[in-house]
Amino acid sequence: RKEVEQDPGPFNVPEGATVAFNCTYSNSASQSFFWYRQDCRKEPKLLMSVYSSGNEDGRFTAQLNRASQYISLLIRDSKLSDSATYLCVVNPGGYNKLIFGAGTRLAVHP
Amino acid sequence: NAGVTQTPKFRVLKTGQSMTLLCAQDMNHEYMYWYRQDPGMGLRLIHYSVGEGTTAKGEVPDGYNVSRLKKQNFLLGLESAAPSQTSVYFCASSSPFSSGRTDTQYFGPGTRLTVL
Repeated sequence: RKEVEQDPGPFNVPEGATVAFNCTYSNSASQSFFWYRQDCRKEPKLLMSVYSSGNEDGRFTAQLNRASQYISLLIRDSKLSDSATYLCVVNPGGYNKLIFGAGTRLAVHP
Repeated sequence: NAGVTQTPKFRVLKTGQSMTLLCAQDMNHEYMYWYRQDPGMGLRLIHYSVGEGTTAKGEVPDGYNVSRLKKQNFLLGLESAAPSQTSVYFCASSSPFSSGRTDTQYFGPGTRLTVL
């Protein structure tokens, strides 16, 4: 079993749609959680951290369920510029070493 | 403030050739990492360093060596390249002493390596 699993997609959605991505992780002792965004042929960039209480940044909402070892990302009112691959990332602890999921590809069309 | 830079951006090698990838960061970060990214797979950690003069193995270290002689630089070496090492290589850095989140990693733009 992979340490971090994501649905690879692609998710093809029209502009304005709401889309949700899910992720599960296997290490129950993991300490921190993130969503990174990766544009085609570019480096990953931090989108947002994920907290147990849930957190929101504009159109983006992230949720963490430690009991189920499940992380989600909700994007509301999708824009063309949201087209990218979204990486679920877990820090199991120790020297900030991160474990990356394979990513979920999102394509937003007019 | 350039952040994390990588050289070269692209390289084509023949099997058995050697090369060194250079990563440099100007953020005074203690920790540095080398990853490889292959289609359909997440980034996988090759080696990492928690300070000048220290290195440690990650998930997929075989066939690679690293050195961190200066705090700002982290070198990844391929002594005898193999086609299985065709990949995109990313370097990243982070600091446990950042004023914000201490576990955020900042990535370089990547090196695309093809081994024929």
